[in-house]
Amino acid sequence: EPEVTQTPSHQVTQMGQEVILRCVPISNHLYFYWYRQILGQKVEFLVSFYNNEISEKSEIFDDQFSVERPDGSNFTLKIRSTKLEDSAMYFCASSDSRGQETQYFGPGTRLLVL
Amino acid sequence: AQRVTQPEKLLSVFKGAPVELKCNYSYSGSPELFWYVQYSRQRLQLLLRHISRESIKGFTADLNKGETSFHLKKPFAQEEDSAMYYCALYSGGYQKVTFGTGTKLQVIP
Repeated sequence: EPEVTQTPSHQVTQMGQEVILRCVPISNHLYFYWYRQILGQKVEFLVSFYNNEISEKSEIFDDQFSVERPDGSNFTLKIRSTKLEDSAMYFCASSDSRGQETQYFGPGTRLLVL
Repeated sequence: AQRVTQPEKLLSVFKGAPVELKCNYSYSGSPELFWYVQYSRQRLQLLLRHISRESIKGFTADLNKGETSFHLKKPFAQEEDSAMYYCALYSGGYQKVTFGTGTKLQVIP
């Protein structure tokens, strides 16, 4: 069964550094998402992406964040200047139509900002 | 704005006992509700969704619009059911899903 993959599984970075989290969605999916989960808290929506543009973003997704689909397979989340509070698990998800058709989640990237 | 509430952070039951994980939602429109499960060290997986009215791994959930609830139930808990369970709501529009805070189910052998 096809799965969403994410790299790296863990990343440690210094505050102020840029990080890029990578995701490979399921190949025939058209909708892509990023969520994050701060330790001990709930999964929070960051952004959805369709047809090479952002569909919706949350208040968390400020100017420090950007997403890109640089080629036909990857979907990336960039944090330009990381802050301590960006430390979280970041999940990528994809779906093949509207959200009620199921979003398939990747295993997550655990980001630690020191 | 939509909201999903899971009042219990931890639910411990003995093997063979019935399980009910509570979920309440707040949404003005017609919601699509889901339960996701996350086993230890694994990814979030869809467990079930209300529109399909299916039973997965013995779990069922009924949408009660009057009580705005979507509680997850299983008549007899198994040890392998131990996991984090997240109730989630899809409100349409831009495809985002709103998650509850999750309930950790611990099945005691």
